[in-house]
Amino acid sequence: GAVVSQHPSWVICKSGTSVKIECRSLDFQATTMFWYRQFPKQSLMLMATSNEGSKATYEQGVEKDKFLINHASLTLSTLTVTSAHPEDSSFYICSVRGNSNQPQHFGDGTRLSIL
Amino acid sequence: KQEVTQIPAALSVPEGENLVLNCSFTDSAIYNLQWFRQDPGKGLTSLLLIQSSQREQTSGRLNASLDKSSGRSTLYIAASQPGDSATYLCAVRANTGTASKLTFGTGTRLQVTL
Repeated sequence: GAVVSQHPSWVICKSGTSVKIECRSLDFQATTMFWYRQFPKQSLMLMATSNEGSKATYEQGVEKDKFLINHASLTLSTLTVTSAHPEDSSFYICSVRGNSNQPQHFGDGTRLSIL
Repeated sequence: KQEVTQIPAALSVPEGENLVLNCSFTDSAIYNLQWFRQDPGKGLTSLLLIQSSQREQTSGRLNASLDKSSGRSTLYIAASQPGDSATYLCAVRANTGTASKLTFGTGTRLQVTL
């Protein structure tokens, strides 16, 4: 069964609005959660890494004030795209990991389209 | 900086064939390597995880090998089926730290035809 639940799977909204994406770890306590974005026909690009209860670590070039990450519990992380613009349209995927010996599991992704 | 390359970029085979996907990485100091499949418009499904101390892992028709010293991994798919059609990604993890990241390969797009 699914290990990671990501919601919503698809969202269309107007430019300037904020969009929140949820990522839930279903089967275990996710010490670390990751957020990726993927453009068509490209591999995944890591946006940020978060550990429960602490601030997220953002990759170079990713605006932390635009992509707000909250990892409030061991089973839930949220990504909020603030004041979204058409260039933010992409496929966003979350990923979770437990202890260091466990594989990394991915959500089904959220397709975000900004009009 | 770790770089991960997958060859071929795309592959089309008839149903029933055995096939091998290749993954190479430039820095052999890895903690583990993971193979994923991604269906169009979907997230990633973990297939196999190989720790750096292991040589191979098997799950059903899938077998992944790891040669850390040469920086290579292969994913062997036996008796391929149309349902195996997807993009296959390998990813390496550098260390055991909680913030350590996966570095992804470019992927191999597999199509299994009837």
